[in-house]
Amino acid sequence: QSALTQPRSVSGSPGQSVTISCTGTSSDFSGYNYVSWYQQHPGKAPKLMIYDVSKRPSGVPDRFSGSKSGNTASLTISGLQAEDEADYYCCSYAGRYTYVFGSGTEVTVL
Amino acid sequence: EVQLVESGGGLVKPGGSLRLSCAASGFTFSDAWVSWVRQAPGKGLEWVGHIKNKAAGWTTDYAAPVKGRFTISRDDSKNTVYLQMNSLKTEDTALYYCATNHNFDYWGQGTLVTVSS
Repeated sequence: QSALTQPRSVSGSPGQSVTISCTGTSSDFSGYNYVSWYQQHPGKAPKLMIYDVSKRPSGVPDRFSGSKSGNTASLTISGLQAEDEADYYCCSYAGRYTYVFGSGTEVTVL
Repeated sequence: EVQLVESGGGLVKPGGSLRLSCAASGFTFSDAWVSWVRQAPGKGLEWVGHIKNKAAGWTTDYAAPVKGRFTISRDDSKNTVYLQMNSLKTEDTALYYCATNHNFDYWGQGTLVTVSS
């Protein structure tokens, strides 16, 4: 199972929006809407930001939103803030009770 | 407050074994599925495997690279999940996290496993 494909890095100025893509095969996404996104600051554990494609856990700002079309999922950060600078990973249920993560994207706030 | 605390990491030679533990508190542990996710130094996240709850038969599933070498078990009386790692390879070197449920909604801080001669 190969990792889902994400851009290595994206950047934006404070207040701007950035979108991170996450591309896989039809088997990666297995026809289920079980895509999640994680934020990881250096030296810290990942934190769940989005689950089931577009749902936000309690406490996650509504600046973070998720979507999916075909074999590509996306995470959009609107109104970019300095504290959003981190690595972001997508993850999908891949069928047969297995999961696959994306390759990771470094978000830089200019 | 949900807490997951991993332990048991260390330096081991190729071919060796190690057992990691994940101690949980702050939620109904017996209802949770628990996964292990690893991160090699400077690399991305990789799902290792999980163990389901009693309602799902306590069954386990594993990623292809570790299947047959790693075994996940749990002791609900101790709120703890274990990862037994055998026949370790240098490519198993990573920070190993435990995380809860299908969405990996809570994570521990990880325990470092280094496989080197």
